[in-house]
Amino acid sequence: GEDVEQSLFLSVREGDSSVINCTYTDSSSTYLYWYKQEPGAGLQLLTYIFSNMDMKQDQRLTVLLNKKDKHLSLRIADTQTGDSAIYFCAESITMASKIIFGSGTRLSIRP
Amino acid sequence: EAGVVQSPRYKIIEKKQPVAFWCNPISGHNTLYWYRQNLGQGPELLIRYENEEAVDDSQLPKDRFSAERLKGVDSTLKIQPAELGDSAVYLCASSHGVYGADTEAFFGQGTRLTVV
Repeated sequence: GEDVEQSLFLSVREGDSSVINCTYTDSSSTYLYWYKQEPGAGLQLLTYIFSNMDMKQDQRLTVLLNKKDKHLSLRIADTQTGDSAIYFCAESITMASKIIFGSGTRLSIRP
Repeated sequence: EAGVVQSPRYKIIEKKQPVAFWCNPISGHNTLYWYRQNLGQGPELLIRYENEEAVDDSQLPKDRFSAERLKGVDSTLKIQPAELGDSAVYLCASSHGVYGADTEAFFGQGTRLTVV
């Protein structure tokens, strides 16, 4: 079946790195995503990775994919207060097909 | 360029009443999605359109929910009658879903429905 799981909460100190983890079950997933949702706002695609890649880096964001273990992680370097949000891990077979989302990880930043 | 536009942003109705949501996708996007996001959960797909054809409506509760996308542009999602459990945020998204040249799905801000 299709399922995406992630921890519900993460608290980090400002300036530290945040690492949000996710596991998925559908081995046919081709695209794996990280979305950000701020209060009252829609979902914003932060980054995505193809299933044939191990790592993708985009400025402060690093995505790691372990396809064997079906494990995806998002690392945010130098976490800032503006990074406070809910982060959703998600997967799909194509970009146009339905996206399966996890329940989201709420990231809070301590001063 | 305008993003995905949804209206209304908020809606409060009594149970058993009908309600409708409207979505205007990004210009040129042929694929349109309606997702429902329950409190504390991730969004779940209700229906996906390619142009005016519903290609995946397996998760749409057809006894009370209906959707249409006339002319393959704007879309409406209707609930009749609404139940307390329908309280959620209804998200519309669109993408330029052309085989071999798919693009990401862009989401609107959603309509928050409260059924009392």
